[in-house]
Amino acid sequence: GQNIDQPTEMTATEGAIVQINCTYQTSGFNGLFWYQQHAGEAPTFLSYNVLDGLEEKGRFSSFLSRSKGYSYLLLKELQMKDSASYLCVLNTGGFKTIFGAGTRLFVKA
Amino acid sequence: DGGITQSPKYLFRKEGQNVTLSCEQNLNHDAMYWYRQDPGQGLRLIYYSQIVNDFQKGDIAEGYSVSREKKESFPLTVTSAQKNPTAFYLCASSIDSRQLGTIYFGEGSWLTVV
Repeated sequence: GQNIDQPTEMTATEGAIVQINCTYQTSGFNGLFWYQQHAGEAPTFLSYNVLDGLEEKGRFSSFLSRSKGYSYLLLKELQMKDSASYLCVLNTGGFKTIFGAGTRLFVKA
Repeated sequence: DGGITQSPKYLFRKEGQNVTLSCEQNLNHDAMYWYRQDPGQGLRLIYYSQIVNDFQKGDIAEGYSVSREKKESFPLTVTSAQKNPTAFYLCASSIDSRQLGTIYFGEGSWLTVV
């Protein structure tokens, strides 16, 4: 089967660094995406990884290891507005996209 | 600006009533999708469409119907057969569903049964 696991909630302090992990079980996939979703709003695209390694995009970085079935999203210099849910998403081919339940991040002052 | 527009933002449905959620995109994307989001769960695919006049069932299509008469439009009807329709509904699109591509979402519609 196909499954994505993320922690349900995390709390971090403004200005700090936080790492949100994602593990998955799937026989194969094209790419792994990370989306940010504020409560009651649409998910917005953050990053994607096709190959193993780190992709950096400003304060956000995403890492993928296909052999370990593992990805993480790294958020640096946390801001209050980063309080949101972060969705780990697998594209397993064409329209087939599997969404994780998301990790709710709370940023405190 | 290009984007995806969903309406209405909030909708209330009475028992036995059909309701339709609108989704319009001006991104010139071929593929469009409807997802349902429930608390504590990942998004689940209801229907998707790769081209005009074509659509396919997703994982939870029962009680829903769609049409794709125009490239820009992909309305979702929640029928009375859907017994638990209260949820957050998200319309999305991508350039081509056959390729790996970023999915862009509308702002979402909240549907509540009263």
